[in-house]
Amino acid sequence: SAVISQKPSRDICQRGTSLTIQCQVDSQVTMMFWYRQQPGQSLTLIATANQGSEATYESGFVIDKFPISRPNLTFSTLTVSNMSPEDSSIYLCSVGDMTNTEAFFGQGTRLTVV
Amino acid sequence: QKEVEQNSGPLSVPEGAIASLNCTYSDRGSQSFFWYRQYSGKSPELIMSIYSNGDKEDGRFTAQLNKASQYVSLLIRDSQPSDSATYLCAVRKTNAGKSTFGDGTTLTVKP
Repeated sequence: SAVISQKPSRDICQRGTSLTIQCQVDSQVTMMFWYRQQPGQSLTLIATANQGSEATYESGFVIDKFPISRPNLTFSTLTVSNMSPEDSSIYLCSVGDMTNTEAFFGQGTRLTVV
Repeated sequence: QKEVEQNSGPLSVPEGAIASLNCTYSDRGSQSFFWYRQYSGKSPELIMSIYSNGDKEDGRFTAQLNKASQYVSLLIRDSQPSDSATYLCAVRKTNAGKSTFGDGTTLTVKP
């Protein structure tokens, strides 16, 4: 199974600033995904990170607010831009691959915006 | 209609009992089905995956899939207080694709 490492594990940020979250996988994977889990709620997909091209965003999420990079098959970043208290959530990275269809998550980044 | 629906909780069972968690999904083309356990403040932990109709057992956990009824369930036998958590059902349309999650069912196992 893939081992997924996320950094930072938690952060407290001032409103109006930006935070970049990193996701590193110990093996090459086809798909990488970014999810958000707001307090007391389930997981919502933000976008699919595509290697070498622009991410595919879900309805309600835009690139200007959540720019994503994926420079190779093991690494991706999610930036939460111009943060407001409503962005306080857990952000989770997940992977998908045709050779290993199990769907694992990183340990998550707990973001608090004050 | 939500794409993935779970039975509303919270669910409370006594220690040693069987806990039954249910999930229905709307897309008949869905291929992969997962159950996650999430403790408060932690990320989801994959406990079961199932891809074909029938039962899949792993220790005290049994996942059941019925694609005709668009239904997937999780049974936890001999429930322990450590099983107290929120259980999330997730569905993928393709084996490597994005997952859609249900709202979760919170299980409490009482000693």
